[in-house]
This record gives sequence, C-alpha cells and structure tokens, in this order.
Amino acid sequence: GENVEQHPSTLSVQEGDSAVIKCTYSDSASNYFPWYKQELGKGPQLIIDIRSNVGEKKDQRIAVTLNKTAKHFSLHITETQPEDSAVYFCAASMKEKLTFGTGTRLTIIP
Amino acid sequence: DTGVSQNPRHKITKRGQNVTFRCDPISEHNRLYWYRQTLGQGPEFLTYFQNEAQLEKSRLLSDRFSAERPKGSFSTLEIQRTEQGDSAMYLCASSLGNPTQYFGPGTRLTVL
Repeated sequence: GENVEQHPSTLSVQEGDSAVIKCTYSDSASNYFPWYKQELGKGPQLIIDIRSNVGEKKDQRIAVTLNKTAKHFSLHITETQPEDSAVYFCAASMKEKLTFGTGTRLTIIP
Repeated sequence: DTGVSQNPRHKITKRGQNVTFRCDPISEHNRLYWYRQTLGQGPEFLTYFQNEAQLEKSRLLSDRFSAERPKGSFSTLEIQRTEQGDSAMYLCASSLGNPTQYFGPGTRLTVL
C-alpha cells in the first residue's frame, strides 16, 4: 500500500518568514495530493490540493509543488502569520483512501 | 454551518462497553469516510461509503467495529466491547467524489 513520509516533524519560523514542509510517497499510481491544517481539538481543514497532472498550484500565501518523477511534493507558506501556527498534514491517494503523513507542527514566532 | 458534523464530540466509556458515533455529511455529498487518529499521528483510513453501500474496509476495522449508512445520508460507527487501545479521535469526512474530502470536528473517545 501507499506510504507517505513527512518532514520535518516540527518547524519554528519567525513571523513574516517562509515555511516549507516536504512529503514523499511510495505508490507511483497516486494522483491526488491534499494538504490539511489541524488546530488543537479540531478536525483537519483542507488548505490546498494538487493533482498529478499539475506541477504547481498557488493560493495567496500558500503554494504546493509536485515532482512526480521523484515522488515528492511540498507545501510553501510565505509571509507567515501567528494564525498559521498549527499541525499540517500531507496526504496522497489514488482512489478513495487518503494516506496521511505523520504531521508537522508549525510554530510562528512573533 | 453546512459542514460535516459529528456527535458526540467527546465520549468517555469504560472498557467493555459499546459506543456509537454519528456523522452527518455535507448535504448532497454521496461519499462518506471514517478515519481514526491517535495522538501525534495522521488520520488512518477505516472505511468508506458511496451512498448506502460500504465499498472498502481497512484491516484496522476489526470485527468489533461496524459502520452503517442506511439511507445514504448520515452514518454511524459502532464499537463493541471497547478496549483501551480504541481510545482515539474518530473523524468523518465527506465528498462528492471529486476527490476532495472535507472533515468534521471528530469524536474523541476515551476508554477507561
């Protein structure tokens, strides 16, 4: 089955700086890659997603890049703000089942 | 609010008791998923429904677990004879099959 690895497990950045989180996946048949933000005591919230026919997607301060050959994808957050502090999860899927990474705890230092 | 809703939000039970959770998906979403999340980990897939049909079950879903979606709308997840290892956050998600999944707030289960 699919295996998703996520790095780093924790990340601290100064407010206003950029944050990058990286994931690798094992199944070359995976074709959908969402990113979720999870705040304490809440369910995961979809922040951006990308499909395998696209190499990059951007939504305001958030962007995702996908390298199908290397089987890795990354989340980029620019101009970080205190409200960006949360746990971020990447995921990969081929059909219905999402396989998640182990999460990155992002802390924005004011 | 028209998002995914889950009830109860918290459940504390004693080992050996049965518990049931409910999920109401986003209106008109035909696919409904259950995931389990333990502390410090990402969600793990349990099962999913397309309308009322349960189409896939994970090996994580032991015979003590049963899920239903009788009318293709809300779903229930029942755990029989709960064990301490069942303590986790149980998450429900729904989609139109496109394949974006939207998650609910989860039900946190604590088994004493």
